[in-house]
Amino acid sequence: GQNIDQPTEMTATEGAIVQINCTYQTSGFNGLFWYQQHAGEAPTFLSYNVLDGLEEKGRFSSFLSRSKGYSYLLLKELQMKDSASYLCAVRSGTYKYIFGTGTRLKVLA
Amino acid sequence: SQTIHQWPATLVQPVGSPLSLECTVEGTSNPNLYWYRQAAGRGLQLLFYSVGIGQISSEVPQNLSASRPQDRQFILSSKKLLLSDSGFYLCAWVDSGANVLTFGAGSRLTVL
Repeated sequence: GQNIDQPTEMTATEGAIVQINCTYQTSGFNGLFWYQQHAGEAPTFLSYNVLDGLEEKGRFSSFLSRSKGYSYLLLKELQMKDSASYLCAVRSGTYKYIFGTGTRLKVLA
Repeated sequence: SQTIHQWPATLVQPVGSPLSLECTVEGTSNPNLYWYRQAAGRGLQLLFYSVGIGQISSEVPQNLSASRPQDRQFILSSKKLLLSDSGFYLCAWVDSGANVLTFGAGSRLTVL
């Protein structure tokens, strides 16, 4: 079956670095995605990994290890506006995007 | 440019009433289209996806149905709503052959 696990909640301080982990078990792995979702809003795309390694995009980086079924999202120089839920999603085969339950991040001043 | 429209944004419906949520995409052809539901404080549950007109794949058996009458139109329906149908319904699309799923603004349904 398909399974994606993320921590439910994390708390960090403004200006710090936080790493949000995601482990997955899926058939037909075809890419891993991270989305940000502010309360009451739709998710917005942050990053995409299909090969092993690190993808960097400004303050956000995402890492993938396909052999371990593991990814993380790294947020640097945290800002108050980064308080949101972060969703890990896996594409299974060509069409199916399966989402984890999300990690709610609270950034404290 | 490509945009996705979803409506209505908010609705409150009594148990047993019908439902119709509509989603349209502009600026693209033959997109893959998706309906997700997010219950309060929960993750996104894939309900239906479509890779072409009239082609619907159902992921979760329930009292909802989906239709794609036109290339860029995706409709989510129910004949009789249940309390458990309450949630945040999100339409999404991706260009055929592309990778990134893009979401509409969502429709918040409360069933009383």
